[in-house]
Amino acid sequence: QSVLTQPPSVSGAPGQRVTISCTGSSSNIGAAYDVHWYQQLPGAAPKLLIYGNDNRPSGVPDRFSGSKSGTSASLAITGLQAEDEADYYCQSYDSSLSAWVFGGGTKLTVL
Amino acid sequence: QVQLVQSGAEVKKPGASVKVSCKASGYTFTSFSFTWVRQAPGQGLEWMGWISPYNDRTNYAQKFQGRVTMTTDTSTETAYMELRSLRSDDTAVYYCARVVTGYYRGDYWGQGTLVTVSS
Repeated sequence: QSVLTQPPSVSGAPGQRVTISCTGSSSNIGAAYDVHWYQQLPGAAPKLLIYGNDNRPSGVPDRFSGSKSGTSASLAITGLQAEDEADYYCQSYDSSLSAWVFGGGTKLTVL
Repeated sequence: QVQLVQSGAEVKKPGASVKVSCKASGYTFTSFSFTWVRQAPGQGLEWMGWISPYNDRTNYAQKFQGRVTMTTDTSTETAYMELRSLRSDDTAVYYCARVVTGYYRGDYWGQGTLVTVSS
């Protein structure tokens, strides 16, 4: 079991909007530690997609956005494109474990 | 541009050790830390630990304590991760990632190194 909980899969048609949730606890997301999101395309290394809850690194399209509230965070993708099909992981820090923690990953399928 | 280039795939027998390297370029080596993350086949990401090249400070995930050693060589700007007493469930792709000092995130990642443990 992952410390952060994500849905195993989400799907959407091209052009649609999808969201991926990430639920933690009072020792990680709820303790005000930042949430980061990574995109992992098939066969590739993870890539930082969102950092510090809602910031995009240079080069990441503004179709991707992040938010955080309480013990949860969300990644939203608007205007879905075929190339968005990938696995998405949330990540934070857990003070009880003194460790980085990841969600189990969510597979996004573009229909 | 920032690049992290990892060593090639390894095949090891149970009980052996493996040492994976991560050669950095394009930035000041000692200004950022490294983290190591692994991914078993078809599974999610698993954090292994962190090291600072500035002061060699480390923090290992409890699961790997006693079995993993992370080091850096500032002369070659390379980070290393050694895992000992390998088991079949250590078969995974091992990634290094650069860490912004003071922040718990990997902003640039290596391409990954497949380590296969098989008798």
